[in-house]
Amino acid sequence: RKEVEQDPGPFNVPEGATVAFNCTYSNSASQSFFWYRQDCRKEPKLLMSVYSSGNEDGRFTAQLNRASQYISLLIRDSKLSDSATYLCVVNRKGGGNTPLVFGKGTRLSVIA
Amino acid sequence: DVKVTQSSRYLVKRTGEKVFLECVQDMDHENMFWYRQDPGLGLRLIYFSYDVKMKEKGDIPEGYSVSREKKERFSLILESASTNQTSMYLCASSLTGGVYGYTFGSGTRLTVV
Repeated sequence: RKEVEQDPGPFNVPEGATVAFNCTYSNSASQSFFWYRQDCRKEPKLLMSVYSSGNEDGRFTAQLNRASQYISLLIRDSKLSDSATYLCVVNRKGGGNTPLVFGKGTRLSVIA
Repeated sequence: DVKVTQSSRYLVKRTGEKVFLECVQDMDHENMFWYRQDPGLGLRLIYFSYDVKMKEKGDIPEGYSVSREKKERFSLILESASTNQTSMYLCASSLTGGVYGYTFGSGTRLTVV
């Protein structure tokens, strides 16, 4: 099983749609979870951390299911500016200072 | 805002050259990282450092070395550049523990000819 696995997409959705991305991770000891956004030919940027209780930031909602080792990102009311690649990120193993492992990303295109 | 600065945005080097990629961060972060990103392969960790003069190998260290003489600077060295090292190189930094995630530089697109 890959360390972090994502559906590569692309997801092509109309403006205003709700879209959900899923991610699974292999190491049950992982403790830090994030979603990053990467625009074409740009560096990844932190979108949001993911907490066990789930968390929301405006139109974005992240969920974590530790038992299933599954992370999700929900985007409501999609905007053209949401078009990007979304990277699921977890730390390599339990404990504080371990490197982050990046999924290969899910590409989203929001269409007018 | 944390700023991570990579010295070159685009770089073209010849096979066999020694190549230095520089990265500087201005927020006193303890941790620094070098990744490369290739289509279909995602980000892969080359080397990382949790402290000055400290370094640890990532997943693909072969053909690379690093230097961290000062806390704010982390250099990636390609000892003898080869065409399969053509890639986008991304530097990142974080606080100890990385619980707030990483901040990336804007990347260096290296082409080895």
